[in-house]
Amino acid sequence: AQTVTQSQPEMSVQEAETVTLSCTYDTSESNYYLFWYKQPPSRQMILVIRQEAYKQQNATENRFSVNFQKAAKSFSLKISDSQLGDTAMYFCAFRHSGGGADGLTFGKGTHLIIQP
Amino acid sequence: GAGVSQSPRYKVAKRGQDVALRCDPISGHVSLFWYQQALGQGPEFLTYFQNEAQLDKSGLPSDRFFAERPEGSVSTLKIQRTQQEDSAVYLCASSLVQKGMYEQYFGPGTRLTVT
Repeated sequence: AQTVTQSQPEMSVQEAETVTLSCTYDTSESNYYLFWYKQPPSRQMILVIRQEAYKQQNATENRFSVNFQKAAKSFSLKISDSQLGDTAMYFCAFRHSGGGADGLTFGKGTHLIIQP
Repeated sequence: GAGVSQSPRYKVAKRGQDVALRCDPISGHVSLFWYQQALGQGPEFLTYFQNEAQLDKSGLPSDRFFAERPEGSVSTLKIQRTQQEDSAVYLCASSLVQKGMYEQYFGPGTRLTVT
């Protein structure tokens, strides 16, 4: 079974700084999907960014980008020019590309705090 | 448009009671997922529906947990004879299609507290 590990339970940075959240995973599959979700306090979980393992180019979404290292099974999230509204729990998630279980496998999350 | 909604938002149950949690997915979404999120943890997959068919229930922790989606839209997660370890936030998510990189849209969750 696949596992997702987020080794940073909490991070705190100043507004406007750049921060990188780490995520590693374990799988024997060659193609799969990776996601970063954001869960603000008392609010719904929303998708931040996603990556297909077959695509070598790192995904970017405005201030959010990933560093996908397939051989190392690493999928880190970089947030540039951090804003107060980025304060939230961030979850890294994995999904199979083929048959079998179709749910997401999540890490334990990183609590990101943006200080004014 | 309307997102995924869940009701009730909060539920307190005495140990041994049965509870029913409701999920209204986004209209037209084929796939529906239930997750359990314990305090301070990431969500854990419980079960998955494609339309009305429950294709995967491998994550349900015991036979006290039962989910249904009889008409392929609204889903109910039922927990019988609740135990304290069932205390968690139960998240529902829906997706337009079954597989791939398609986004799962999450509801606000139901926070269940078993006393």
